[in-house]
Amino acid sequence: IAGITQAPTSQILAAGRRMTLRCTQDMRHNAMYWYRQDLGLGLRLIHYSNTAGTTGKGEVPDGYSVSRANTDDFPLTLASAVPSQTSVYFCASSDTDRVTEQFFGPGTRLTVL
Amino acid sequence: EDKVVQSPLSLVVHEGDTVTLNCSYEVTNFRSLLWYKQEKKAPTFLFMLTSSGIEKKSGRLSSILDKKELFSILNITATQTGDSAIYLCAVTAGANSKLTFGKGITLSVRP
Repeated sequence: IAGITQAPTSQILAAGRRMTLRCTQDMRHNAMYWYRQDLGLGLRLIHYSNTAGTTGKGEVPDGYSVSRANTDDFPLTLASAVPSQTSVYFCASSDTDRVTEQFFGPGTRLTVL
Repeated sequence: EDKVVQSPLSLVVHEGDTVTLNCSYEVTNFRSLLWYKQEKKAPTFLFMLTSSGIEKKSGRLSSILDKKELFSILNITATQTGDSAIYLCAVTAGANSKLTFGKGITLSVRP
């Protein structure tokens, strides 16, 4: 049982390039989330999806897009990366039919130069 | 706007000490408060609290919620170096399951 997997583990990217961070869960959770974590700012929600086919904006959505074509996958795309998007990105999922915790993936460390 | 404030921001203690980590919140239609521990990688779940006054306990860790005063504490007794981590507090509110996180508390336990 993998839980949540993210790829890549880390990436160095030139500014202006397009990048997609992948997230897959095998727990059949209906809701999925993308957070970024920056020193001194904690975890901030970028985008979320309550169910396949729907997405919503979080606290810091600008510069990012997501899609949720099926239950298991929730990719995060940076259309044109900028240095301020250097961060650690965490994907999470939860079963919103019950009041339960969110489960987190191992994270992707992204550096934009 | 939902708000979660944790204090202190960082803490250094010695093994065997007891620590109390604080989390206060301001949200509309509070649903639950969660504590996570984060070491090198992903946050791992510790507790979820939904009712006032009911202590949740796991080994040396315990937590309680006060919905009237809008805060929670996380206690760690007989601390060990393995307790060194960032402790995150988060709340959910309303009908959705989005988490609003505090900035986290960095705990360092010295031998």
